[in-house]
Amino acid sequence: EADIYQTPRYLVIGTGKKITLECSQTMGHDKMYWYQQDPGMELHLIHYSYGVNSTEKGDLSSESTVSRIRTEHFPLTLESARPSHTSQYLCASSSPEMTGYTFGSGTRLTVV
Amino acid sequence: KNQVEQSPQSLIILEGKNCTLQCNYTVSPFSNLRWYKQDTGRGPVSLTIMTFSENTKSNGRYTATLDADTKQSSLHITASQLSDSASYICVVRRGVGNNDMRFGAGTRLTVKP
Repeated sequence: EADIYQTPRYLVIGTGKKITLECSQTMGHDKMYWYQQDPGMELHLIHYSYGVNSTEKGDLSSESTVSRIRTEHFPLTLESARPSHTSQYLCASSSPEMTGYTFGSGTRLTVV
Repeated sequence: KNQVEQSPQSLIILEGKNCTLQCNYTVSPFSNLRWYKQDTGRGPVSLTIMTFSENTKSNGRYTATLDADTKQSSLHITASQLSDSASYICVVRRGVGNNDMRFGAGTRLTVKP
């Protein structure tokens, strides 16, 4: 059973719409991450957080924003979606003791 | 150039056959290396983790090897099953005390009956 949940699993929206991708984890992990993954390509870090009220941009430039008001919740928002935002978005978390990530099932976003 | 290179990009094998996937990395300093399995439409799930001092680690039909001197790792799958069809991603953690992860692009494995 997954300990990190992403919703929705699939989303098709029109250009210009505002969307929020949800990510929640029940493991009490301090560190959470958002990755973008295109088919056949490596994951790219777009945002991360090391705790409540802590957010940072990752390696890949992104027009999205994130917030971390609660430990378990790390939503990602696109204010105005564009076709170039079409991708799979993966949320992950880790604790200080962990040497790797627990990933969510991902959100497949299509902007038309 | 990606610091984690995987080969082949894709692979098709028959059910019951063995296969080996390769991962070469230039990440430094090295902390550990993980192999993940990612089913279509799902998030990656960890298969094995290897640190600098480990050469081989098994998880059921999956066996990972690591040569820290040549900076190479392999994932060997024995007696493949249809459910092994997935992408296999090599991830190298850089440094200690942080979560600086470098991802390979993955190998897409298809097992056919």
